[in-house]
Amino acid sequence: DIQMTQSPSSLSASVGDRVTITCRTSQSINIYLNWYQQKAGKAPKLLIYGTYNLYSGVPSRFSGSRSGTDFTLTISSLQPEDLATYFCQQSYSTPPTFGQGTRLEIK
Amino acid sequence: EVQVVESGGGLVQPGRSLRLSCTGSGFTFGDYAMTWVRQAPGKGLQWVGFIGSKAVGGTTEYAASVKGRFTISRDDSKSIAYLQMNSLKTEDTAVYFCTRDGRADGRRGWFDPWGQGTLVTVSS
Repeated sequence: DIQMTQSPSSLSASVGDRVTITCRTSQSINIYLNWYQQKAGKAPKLLIYGTYNLYSGVPSRFSGSRSGTDFTLTISSLQPEDLATYFCQQSYSTPPTFGQGTRLEIK
Repeated sequence: EVQVVESGGGLVQPGRSLRLSCTGSGFTFGDYAMTWVRQAPGKGLQWVGFIGSKAVGGTTEYAASVKGRFTISRDDSKSIAYLQMNSLKTEDTAVYFCTRDGRADGRRGWFDPWGQGTLVTVSS
């Protein structure tokens, strides 16, 4: 199985801050990396698919990038409603695997 | 609105069975693979398995931890996917989410939308 190492496990930032979350995969997965946002007690929601593609309706402050086996989710200007846990997920091979999550708190 | 809704969770004793249902609406259910993902209390997300669309043979695949105990099936006439869970263990306790796969064959896609989840508690 492909291992996903997501960091940090938690972070606290202020409204307006630029926030980055990283996911490192144990082997090359091309661009088959997706990001999800999960608010407390709710189902995950798709933010970005295929490393770079912003899903319909997702604010443009969210973006994704890649350098080799390192993938990054960036929030350009943190908003109060971004309080959530964020997960990465690889879809390159079966079984699909998820990062352990990053809990984002607002200062 | 495209959505999926799970049902069928509850409290069950170890070794017993339970069947979850996932009803889709707002899209052509039969065109998509459907996936089950679970989340143990306070933990991360774990893929359980998927069923491909009939157009690609309705292939199923499962996580190693549930293979041989869980079975996924679908009834496209009713827009429902099922997760039959047998020989349940305490470590199967989790919220079970159903989600639509972005591809018909369940490979190299993404998951959207997700249902609200249904809690399965395995305890004596």
